[in-house]
Amino acid sequence: DTEVTQTPKHLVMGMTNKKSLKCEQHMGHRAMYWYKQKAKKPPELMFVYSYEKLSINESVPSRFSPECPNSSLLNLHLHALQPEDSALYLCASSQTTGTLADTQYFGPGTRLTVL
Amino acid sequence: AQSVAQPEDQVNVAEGNPLTVKCTYSVSGNPYLFWYVQYPNRGLQFLLKYITGDNLVKGSYGFEAEFNKSQTSFHLKKPSALVSDSALYFCAVRDTNNAGNMLTFGGGTRLMVKP
Repeated sequence: DTEVTQTPKHLVMGMTNKKSLKCEQHMGHRAMYWYKQKAKKPPELMFVYSYEKLSINESVPSRFSPECPNSSLLNLHLHALQPEDSALYLCASSQTTGTLADTQYFGPGTRLTVL
Repeated sequence: AQSVAQPEDQVNVAEGNPLTVKCTYSVSGNPYLFWYVQYPNRGLQFLLKYITGDNLVKGSYGFEAEFNKSQTSFHLKKPSALVSDSALYFCAVRDTNNAGNMLTFGGGTRLMVKP
């Protein structure tokens, strides 16, 4: 089973709201990722967690706050977003970050609209 | 630095005909190459990867890819296209210069299979 689940599927929020995106995997993977994808563009890496510790932050604004409560869960907390943050947010996981051959498996994404 | 190019924004093919989606790469060291497919409003689905060994890699849904080291290419192929293959295809190369299992994606190619 190579399933990564994400909730919610769709989210509409105002610029003053606080919301969270959730990602879950039960493949025993120890690396998890957040990506942002604009329409018809490739995904852009935001954060990488390795063994529940943040290992890479691709200079993402502080209005995005990731959290990895345990090895199966990854959250992305959103606060004071801008309309340009509207995008498809994808979660992915892989066995580790250190093995070159590891495959990243993606979830279905959360479609976020910021009004 | 790694880079991936998908020279065609869109590929059109008739159902039943063979299809090719092109990808060229630039890496320092050995390449680790991946193909993903994305259906509308969905996440990326892993199709196949090249790590080492045979230059012809077989993947999901009847897709295969041919690794050509001299031409630095990794083209995706399928002998007989289906209308349901219509989607956005991304080629990616593993970034070997850091430990984050980061992927560098090509710009994507939209495949349109017409009945």
